[in-house]
Amino acid sequence: GAVVSQHPSWVICKSGTSVKIECRSLDFQATTMFWYRQFPKQSLMLMATSNEGSKATYEQGVEKDKFLINHASLTLSTLTVTSAHPEDSSFYICSAREGAQPQGYEQYFGPGTRLTVT
Amino acid sequence: QKEVEQDPGPLSVPEGAIVSLNCTYSNSAFQYFMWYRQYSRKGPELLMYTYSSGNKEDGRFTAQVDKSSKYISLFIRDSQPSDSATYLCASTTGGGNKLTFGTGTQLKVEL
Repeated sequence: GAVVSQHPSWVICKSGTSVKIECRSLDFQATTMFWYRQFPKQSLMLMATSNEGSKATYEQGVEKDKFLINHASLTLSTLTVTSAHPEDSSFYICSAREGAQPQGYEQYFGPGTRLTVT
Repeated sequence: QKEVEQDPGPLSVPEGAIVSLNCTYSNSAFQYFMWYRQYSRKGPELLMYTYSSGNKEDGRFTAQVDKSSKYISLFIRDSQPSDSATYLCASTTGGGNKLTFGTGTQLKVEL
């Protein structure tokens, strides 16, 4: 149980275009989803937290107009990288928290999406 | 200063060795401590979690937290080549959403 999927697993796009990444909880309802970015040999950096049906909360330094997050249902959250540039190339990972778990550790991670902007 | 510090390695050990992975943290409010395993180009997988200080054992893995020294450890006994991965420690405050990760330690277990 507690499986999170991401699509696509790898995407290449041209500079200036937008890319949408999907994150789905397959066998549970995720009231909260998280989006992380990971650069090579670096740790996961939280970008934003999204709760179903409400606006995402972005971490300091993350441009909300560039990284659009939509959490329209209890099983789906999307991250859209708008007007992508080469410096946005990274590994994007989502995680999902089930129900009303009070502890932050109850997060299940997706397999990640590798974005390459040319 | 990062809230969670971790030696990036790489750490190379022979098969069967006992592996010790460590992190330090600075935020006294952290209550939950996790270890994740991440294979190359994959998402992290939760290995173990510990609440407050103490030890927790699960098979070949033992997690240890010493809140007095703000030190987190993961021990792997009888290490196997399949244990080769990056190990990330993470912490969070009680009831909080945000996980703060260390940079990860790359482990290679050689035949």
